Order: sequence, then structure tokens, then C-alpha cells
Amino acid sequence: GEDVEQSLFLSVREGDSSVINCTYTDSSSTYLYWYKQEPGAGLQLLTYIFSNMDMKQDQRLTVLLNKKDKHLSLRIADTQTGDSAIYFCAERGTGANNLFFGTGTRLTVIP
Amino acid sequence: DADVTQTPRNRITKTGKRIMLECSQTKGHDRMYWYRQDPGLGLRLIYYSFDVKDINKGEISDGYSVSRQAQAKFSLSLESAIPNQTALYFCATSEGYIQYFGAGTRLSVL
Repeated sequence: GEDVEQSLFLSVREGDSSVINCTYTDSSSTYLYWYKQEPGAGLQLLTYIFSNMDMKQDQRLTVLLNKKDKHLSLRIADTQTGDSAIYFCAERGTGANNLFFGTGTRLTVIP
Repeated sequence: DADVTQTPRNRITKTGKRIMLECSQTKGHDRMYWYRQDPGLGLRLIYYSFDVKDINKGEISDGYSVSRQAQAKFSLSLESAIPNQTALYFCATSEGYIQYFGAGTRLSVL
């Protein structure tokens, strides 16, 4: 199956920007997603980007897609303690029936 | 009320027991999925269903079975639970290219 890779941990100070990175192998990816998982909760869709875009911004969130390098990133501006969670990158290939997820990055925000 | 509801939220069982995890949705979506989450491995697909008469195996279906009782209900069964099935299980629904997840069922097999 497709590989989606993320680093496991990231720590930032409150007020700083966080950048969570993801690489994937499927060259036919159509949509790429960022999901957030808070403790004891399910996965909440944060944002997604279509593969013909290279950037998407939504309030404090900026998604950058480098399709040539198969690299996706999520930037969170002015990171708050409430942003502490696990962030999953996922991709959907052409004709795929499901999403392929990365391992998740645990973001810890230090007050 | 949650759109995708999983029951139970937590379950402890013994090796060899048969258990069922249930999922119901109020979103009216035809497509439903079961994933399991293991630390350091992300989510992996167990089974998916595109409608009541359509059931498909995912990446890791061995040891599991499913039943799509209605458009709104999709159950996952472990016929004879084993310790390496200890994990967090998620149900999801989709319409188009967005998947919506339940809160998860944490299963421990002793």
C-alpha cells in the first residue's frame, strides 16, 4: 500500500508557529488531509487540499503542498495550548476507496 | 448528538471471546468504514461498505468480520479475540471525498 510518513513528536512554545510535515509515496494522490485527534476523541477533519493546489489558508492554518517532492505541511500560527493533540496526515489516491494515514505527530504546546 | 456513534467506548475482554463493536450514523451516508489505530502505526483499514449489499475487505481484515444491518449501522465482530487485537477502533462514514469519524472504541484483549 501507499506510505505516508510523519515524525512522531513536535514541541513548541505557546505563541510560536508549529510546522508539521508529511511525505507520501502515491503519485496519484487526489486529495490530502489533515486530521486532529484530541485525547479521548475521534478524528476531526481540520483541512484538506486538492492535488492541483499548492497552498490553502484557513485562519491560523496554512497547508503547503509540494507535489513534485510529495511533501505536505501544516503550519499553525500563534500555537495555543488547545492545539496540543495528535495530527494525522492522510491521502486519497485516484479511484481509492479509503484514506491512507500517516503515523500521526503528537504536538505538545509548552506554556 | 454525534453524527457517528460508536458503542461501547471502552471494552475489556478475554482471549477467545467473541465481541461486537457497533457503529451508527445519522449523516445519511452510504459509505462506512472500520479502521484500527495502533501507536506508531496510524490508522489501518479493516473493512468498508459502500451500501447495505456491498462489503469489502481492507488492508487487515483477518480475524474480523462485519455486518451492514442497515444504511445507518455497520458492526465489527471479532470472532475469537486475541491480545494483538488490542487497539483503538474507529468507524467512519463518507460522502464524496471527506470521511467523518466516530469517537472510537478502545478495546483491550487480555
